[in-house]
Amino acid sequence: SQKIEQNSEALNIQEGKTATLTCNYTNYSPAYLQWYRQDPGRGPVFLLLIRENEKEKRKERLKVTFDTTLKQSLFHITASQPADSATYLCALETSGTYKYIFGTGTRLKVLA
Amino acid sequence: DAGITQSPRYKITETGRQVTLMCHQTWSHSYMFWYRQDLGHGLRLIYYSAAADITDKGEVPDGYVVSRSKTENFPLTLESATRSQTSVYFCASSDIIGGGASETQYFGPGTRLLVL
Repeated sequence: SQKIEQNSEALNIQEGKTATLTCNYTNYSPAYLQWYRQDPGRGPVFLLLIRENEKEKRKERLKVTFDTTLKQSLFHITASQPADSATYLCALETSGTYKYIFGTGTRLKVLA
Repeated sequence: DAGITQSPRYKITETGRQVTLMCHQTWSHSYMFWYRQDLGHGLRLIYYSAAADITDKGEVPDGYVVSRSKTENFPLTLESATRSQTSVYFCASSDIIGGGASETQYFGPGTRLLVL
């Protein structure tokens, strides 16, 4: 069956370090992969999209990689700040469906 | 204000009652989605709509009904609420860009529903 896995355990890192979050999937052939940020009590907010033919995408302090062979995406936040503390969700859109499948999210806490 | 709104934000109801959650977007996006979010399950797609009068099931559609008579509105109805439908419900919208894929989904603030 189709499955998306994100580390369910919270990730704690020190301010200024690089946070790396992982999204693994099985039995999918995603055309697009997205990362969202969700703060407590609020809806997810879109951060980055990467296509299956792209290896890497950057936006300010954020970087996403997409390895279709490993079936994995990595999400990096460089020079992390306490304000980056949130839950980060990955979402996959399978080819032609326009439907999104979300992972359960990883909670990131950046310690000052 | 422009954007995507949901109402009510909080709702308490009893088992067996009908409940309708409202979603409204001002962007004229083609696609709209309803998700529920539960601990341990993440966001799960209930129903989605590609345009007015076009809807389709998602991963967990049982017990829910949707309609889309206007592009900007996408109400979700629980015909006979059950305790298992206690959850946080999110509406989202997106548009189709370029090569035919939606670039991003814009989420509403959510409705917290408690079924007693």
